[in-house]
Amino acid sequence: RKEVEQDPGPFNVPEGATVAFNCTYSNSASQSFFWYRQDCRKEPKLLMSVYSSGNEDGRFTAQLNRASQYISLLIRDSKLSDSATYLCVVNDNAGNMLTFGGGTRLMVKP
Amino acid sequence: DGGITQSPKYLFRKEGQNVTLSCEQNLNHDAMYWYRQDPGQGLRLIYYSQIVNDFQKGDIAEGYSVSREKKESFPLTVTSAQKNPTAFYLCASEDQITIYGYTFGSGTRLTVV
Repeated sequence: RKEVEQDPGPFNVPEGATVAFNCTYSNSASQSFFWYRQDCRKEPKLLMSVYSSGNEDGRFTAQLNRASQYISLLIRDSKLSDSATYLCVVNDNAGNMLTFGGGTRLMVKP
Repeated sequence: DGGITQSPKYLFRKEGQNVTLSCEQNLNHDAMYWYRQDPGQGLRLIYYSQIVNDFQKGDIAEGYSVSREKKESFPLTVTSAQKNPTAFYLCASEDQITIYGYTFGSGTRLTVV
């Protein structure tokens, strides 16, 4: 079983749609959680950290469910520029290592 | 501006050659990491270093070597023992005190010719 699992997609959505990605993690001791965005042939860039209380940044909302060990990312009012691969990332803090999911590809169509 | 720089952006290697990928950061970060990404795949950890003069193997260290003689620099050598080196190589660094996730370099795309 992979430590961090994501649906690879692609998710094809029209502009303006709301889309949600889920990610599950296997290490119950994990302490820090992140969503990264990766454009084609580019490096991953931090999109947002995920806090236990949930957090929002503009059109993006991240949620953490520790009991079920999953993280979600919700994108409202999708833009063409949101097209990218979204990586779920988990840090177990003890080893201070980040573990990356395989990514979910989003394609926003006009 | 502080950041992390990888060079070269593109690299071509002949069979049997060793090549070295550069990674330099001026963020004063303690920890540095090397990842490999194959097309359509996630990131796999090659080596990491949490302090100068110390480094550890990641999940796929075979055929690779690193050094950490300076805090700012963490070069990766892809040796001839690495049988399938064509991939996108990403270097990252992290301030272990704040643990706000990694900052990545822009990557090196290595192709065997």
